[in-house]
Amino acid sequence: GQQLNQSPQSMFIQEGEDVSMNCTSSSIFNTWLWYKQDPGEGPVLLIALYKAGELTSNGRLTAQFGITRKDSFLNISASIPSDVGIYFCAGPRFNQFYFGTGTSLTVIP
Amino acid sequence: EAQVTQNPRYLITVTGKKLTVTCSQNMNHEYMSWYRQDPGLGLRQIYYSMNVEVTDKGDVPEGYKVSRKEKRNFPLILESPSPNQTSLYFCASKRDRANYGYTFGSGTRLTVV
Repeated sequence: GQQLNQSPQSMFIQEGEDVSMNCTSSSIFNTWLWYKQDPGEGPVLLIALYKAGELTSNGRLTAQFGITRKDSFLNISASIPSDVGIYFCAGPRFNQFYFGTGTSLTVIP
Repeated sequence: EAQVTQNPRYLITVTGKKLTVTCSQNMNHEYMSWYRQDPGLGLRQIYYSMNVEVTDKGDVPEGYKVSRKEKRNFPLILESPSPNQTSLYFCASKRDRANYGYTFGSGTRLTVV
């Protein structure tokens, strides 16, 4: 199956700092999505990207669809304690839907 | 409220004892899926269903069965659970194959001893 590799695997940051994470694949994806999983819950969709090079924002979150279509990036500006959780990239290929390995974010007040 | 309901939330069982995790959605979604979440591996798709009576294997189907007799229900069956199936399981649904907004259940933490 497809492997979507995310880095870093975990991050510990101070409240107010900006965060960057990325997701790479050996295969081309035509859609990239970013989900967030709060502790004890299922993931929730944050942002969807549909075109190579696309830059999309959702509040303090900004995501980019890589030009090669094999990667995507997520930035969080001015982090707050409720940003804590696991962030997953995801994408559909054929009839399946793949998730990345996840980036765990801890925000220290 | 639109939701995916899976039960139970927690389950401890012994090796070889058949179990079923139920999943039900009230959004009339066509596409349903089961994932397992393991540290460092993210979410891996076990099985998916694009509609009633249509199911297919994901990346890690070994040791699992599913059925889709009704649109709303998509149970996950472990005929003979083994310790390597200890994991956090999620059921999820979305409107159809082309739509990308999954709604996830709250998860089932399974321990097989």
